[in-house]
Order: sequence, then C-alpha cells, then structure tokens
Amino acid sequence: EVQLVESGGGLVRPGGSLRVSCAASGFTFSDHWMHWVRQAPGKGLVWVARINVDGSVTNYAESVRGRCTISRDNAKNMLYLEMSDLTGDDTAVYYCARDWAGAARNWGQGTLVTVSS
Amino acid sequence: QSLVAQPPSASGTPGQNVVISCSGSRSNIETHNVYWYQQLPEMAPTLLIYGDDKRPSGVPDRFSGSKSGTSASLAISGLRSEDEADYYCATWDDSLNVVLFGGGTKVTVL
Repeated sequence: EVQLVESGGGLVRPGGSLRVSCAASGFTFSDHWMHWVRQAPGKGLVWVARINVDGSVTNYAESVRGRCTISRDNAKNMLYLEMSDLTGDDTAVYYCARDWAGAARNWGQGTLVTVSS
Repeated sequence: QSLVAQPPSASGTPGQNVVISCSGSRSNIETHNVYWYQQLPEMAPTLLIYGDDKRPSGVPDRFSGSKSGTSASLAISGLRSEDEADYYCATWDDSLNVVLFGGGTKVTVL
C-alpha cells in the first residue's frame, strides 16, 4: 500500500524558513516524479513544485520560485520542500503526492504550515 | 482569476446528473492531459480521472471525463449523497511550465 506521510509543519514567523518532509513507502520511490501541493485554509488546491526521479529536474510555481527548493533522497525514500522568506500567503496545508501517468495519484494527509507573528 | 476556470458551485438531487466544466487555453488543456480530483470534507484529495477520460481502479464508472479543444468536463451520473465534495481539474501549462489547478467546484447534493 502506498503511504505518504508529511511532517515538519508548524508555526513560523514572517520572514522565517521551514523544511517540510514526506516519508514514502509501499512503492519504488526512485521510479516516480513527486509533487508538493498546498491548500490555504478554506481555499483551493495550488500546485507548488515537482521533481523528477533523480532530482535533476525541478519545476516551481511562480509564487514560490526563488524561495522554495524541492529535493529528494532516494536512499531514504524522502521528499523535502525547503521554504524561506515566508509570508502569511504561505500559510497552508502542504501535501506531497506521487506522480503516476502525469497525475498526483496518491496523496499524504498533509502538514499545516502557519506563518504568523 | 485562475488560468483554468471552473464554476464555483454545482448541485443536484440524488439520481440526477451533474457536469462540471474546466476552461483553459491552447497552452494547457488543449495540449495536455486533464486530471480531476475529488476532495471530501476534511480529507486529502483523491484522483478521479487521468489522461482526460480514464478512471483509476476503484473509481466508480458514474464518474467520467471528456475534453474538447480548450475545455474539459467531469460528469457525475446518478448523483449520490457521498459525492458531495469539492472537485478540481488540473493540467500542465506549456507557457508557464507549471501545473495549473482550477479553482474548484463545490458539488452539493440537495
């Protein structure tokens, strides 16, 4: 069974930094692109970033480009999203998702990041 | 305003059919696969449709996807109370090199 478990969310001050993580199991992690998608409270889904199987290709939403870095450790079956210069607009539940046929096939339960003073 | 537009809401009574539209452009929907996701209240999203019109295993055939030009649609036939959820379309955009989600459509079962 595919499992994705996010962690690392919490309260961070405006201008601060945070790294959220995603532990993957139940599939061959190194065979799949991976995504981060976020959802602000009461709002819709917003794609954040994706990474290819070996980490050599990454794409970012314009709203996070230059402030976020997606990375992976295939040996540890881990996906990461490092975020800096955080603002209230970054407050959201952050989901990691496994790519399959171009879709976000499996999703974790999400981790909440709150940016507030 | 989202580059991929969905109506904010749709509704129907049990047993009715509901269609949700997703409107984009040549650089996204017309050129790339469209995906549909269902998000039940307080839950993570799940994949309903991939490759414009294909259902992953386990998704009931009451859900169907289609695409024509720069628009795509999700149809729910025989609406059930458990279909009350938010539905999102998504696709890749060539011009921006990003995945675009529609703003989401809240389906209410009356």
